[in-house]
Amino acid sequence: AQKITQTQPGMFVQEKEAVTLDCTYDTSDQSYGLFWYKQPSSGEMIFLIYQGSYDEQNATEGRYSLNFQKARKSANLVISASQLGDSAMYFCAMSRSGGSYIPTFGRGTSLIVHP
Amino acid sequence: SAVISQKPSRDICQRGTSLTIQCQVDSQVTMMFWYRQQPGQSLTLIATANQGSEATYESGFVIDKFPISRPNLTFSTLTVSNMSPEDSSIYLCSVPKLLAGSETQYFGPGTRLLVL
Repeated sequence: AQKITQTQPGMFVQEKEAVTLDCTYDTSDQSYGLFWYKQPSSGEMIFLIYQGSYDEQNATEGRYSLNFQKARKSANLVISASQLGDSAMYFCAMSRSGGSYIPTFGRGTSLIVHP
Repeated sequence: SAVISQKPSRDICQRGTSLTIQCQVDSQVTMMFWYRQQPGQSLTLIATANQGSEATYESGFVIDKFPISRPNLTFSTLTVSNMSPEDSSIYLCSVPKLLAGSETQYFGPGTRLLVL
């Protein structure tokens, strides 16, 4: 079974600063994918970034990067140069390669960006 | 990436009534998924809707309460029946997405439901 743990229920960051949202996972699978989603107050789930378990380099997408530490089973999301529009819930998720397309989600972290 | 739309985007309903949520995808997909997100919670999978067969429901969800239709490869509906205030949630549909061998989902914009 897969499990995602997000220990930070809420985070605050000053505009233009960087912030790290923590995510640890547990799985017995050798091949898996890790994802981050953003959910603004509107409710939609926006796919942000993906990291494969065999990827040697950390994934990056614009201001988002995924700090992947396989031995520690962590996949932290780093947002650089925070913007007010980054205020949202952020969910970490993982899925098993060759599985059923149904990811396991964490409980989420609420990020508030202060001006 | 697939473009997914949902109707309605939000609604306020009286208890005991039913609401049907529509999900439209701009490309053909074999599987569509329906999720519920109760206030302050993470996403919970309700069911998987396959075209041409009965939906597969997760533990705790039943067809009588959440009937699903999947008439073709680009459309699905979820009905929330005999609603109570506990059904107040965001309901999201999603479709599979394969990324470099790993499987995840793309989500629609969600339907925010409040039951009075």
